[in-house]
Amino acid sequence: DAKTTQPTSMDCAEGRAANLPCNHSTISGNEYVYWYRQIHSQGPQYIIHGLKNNETNEMASLIITEDRKSSTLILPHATLRDTAVYYCIVRPSNYKLTFGKGTLLTVNP
Amino acid sequence: DTGVSQNPRHKITKRGQNVTFRCDPISEHNRLYWYRQTLGQGPEFLTYFQNEAQLEKSRLLSDRFSAERPKGSFSTLEIQRTEQGDSAMYLCASSSVREQYFGPGTRLTVT
Repeated sequence: DAKTTQPTSMDCAEGRAANLPCNHSTISGNEYVYWYRQIHSQGPQYIIHGLKNNETNEMASLIITEDRKSSTLILPHATLRDTAVYYCIVRPSNYKLTFGKGTLLTVNP
Repeated sequence: DTGVSQNPRHKITKRGQNVTFRCDPISEHNRLYWYRQTLGQGPEFLTYFQNEAQLEKSRLLSDRFSAERPKGSFSTLEIQRTEQGDSAMYLCASSSVREQYFGPGTRLTVT
């Protein structure tokens, strides 16, 4: 799986958009970008995934650059409940996930 | 609740004892995964089933660990002769096509 690089931590004000970056410069053509998050002491939660095109669902938007070497997860209106560790994962298909240390997003009131 | 369930949620055991955890996946999912997570780290892959077939095992899965999925539905993970280093959160996930859905985990403490 391609290696990903994420900031260790980020802060966001409640109600504002949270933009979480991820670098994956060695991504291959058949590898998808997945985002999961983990709220303290819970199992990881699937957020969104994409291959080439930008994607949006009820939780977030995923913006993938044209060269696919980086992506940004956007939480449009962050709430206190969005405080969690966010993991960006790149992998070829439905298979095992390789988690890094992720980004700890803290949403402040 | 139709999500992934795991039992027990917490287990405290003495070193040297055997423990078994159970995972019930989402019913229509044919793929099931086990992961282990220690404090401050992301989850690490342990093993993967497609239906009842165990298709991959991580080198993290020592001989003391065994996993089964006898009828392609629920799965069990057994740890024999537990060691203090086995203390961790054990996570189960299931999937059909792409995204994996995780259970709440079983937190194991070996004293």
